[in-house]
Amino acid sequence: DAGVTQSPTHLIKTRGQQVTLRCSPISGHKSVSWYQQVLGQGPQFIFQYYEKEERGRGNFPDRFSARQFPNYSSELNVNALLLGDSALYLCASSLRYGINEKLFFGSGTQLSVL
Amino acid sequence: RKEVEQDPGPFNVPEGATVAFNCTYSNSASQSFFWYRQDCRKEPKLLMSVYSSGNEDGRFTAQLNRASQYISLLIRDSKLSDSATYLCVVNRGSGNTGKLIFGQGTTLQVKP
Repeated sequence: DAGVTQSPTHLIKTRGQQVTLRCSPISGHKSVSWYQQVLGQGPQFIFQYYEKEERGRGNFPDRFSARQFPNYSSELNVNALLLGDSALYLCASSLRYGINEKLFFGSGTQLSVL
Repeated sequence: RKEVEQDPGPFNVPEGATVAFNCTYSNSASQSFFWYRQDCRKEPKLLMSVYSSGNEDGRFTAQLNRASQYISLLIRDSKLSDSATYLCVVNRGSGNTGKLIFGQGTTLQVKP
């Protein structure tokens, strides 16, 4: 069975540009979360979606937005890129929405902003 | 102050050694706790959940102390393949399963 898949794997953008990252959850999983991991730090929560509704948002500016589609895949959009947005962006899926649900991560999209 | 704090290390140990990592969390409302393992620039993978009663999975033992708000991970008989970054993770609760709070991670290097 396929795990969480993310695309693209690597991306290079310049300041001010916009980027869209994509995630397909494990088959049957209905919840998708996005995390940002800067080098040397742990992942930081950006968004969670469940059944196409936003269920949580981290401390990120409005330049960050996301959505979940009827097939439970998800996109993360970042506008007006800054150098500080350079990071590994991780998508995670879980079967349901609950306190003890285990998250499964994709291998991430490495974004470099020049 | 970070909500989840870990000593970043690195911890350099010989094969066969026993090594212990601790982490502290600041939000007493935290409801579930985990250790994740992350290999260099790859995705985090769940190593084990952590319960107050303590739990063991082979060479790995995790413990939670709610009163002191700390979590520990003990690795016995270290293998070269245990070299990785270990992330202490807390779920703050309110049903928000996705909002995991990660520590900075502790790097373990097991030497032959």
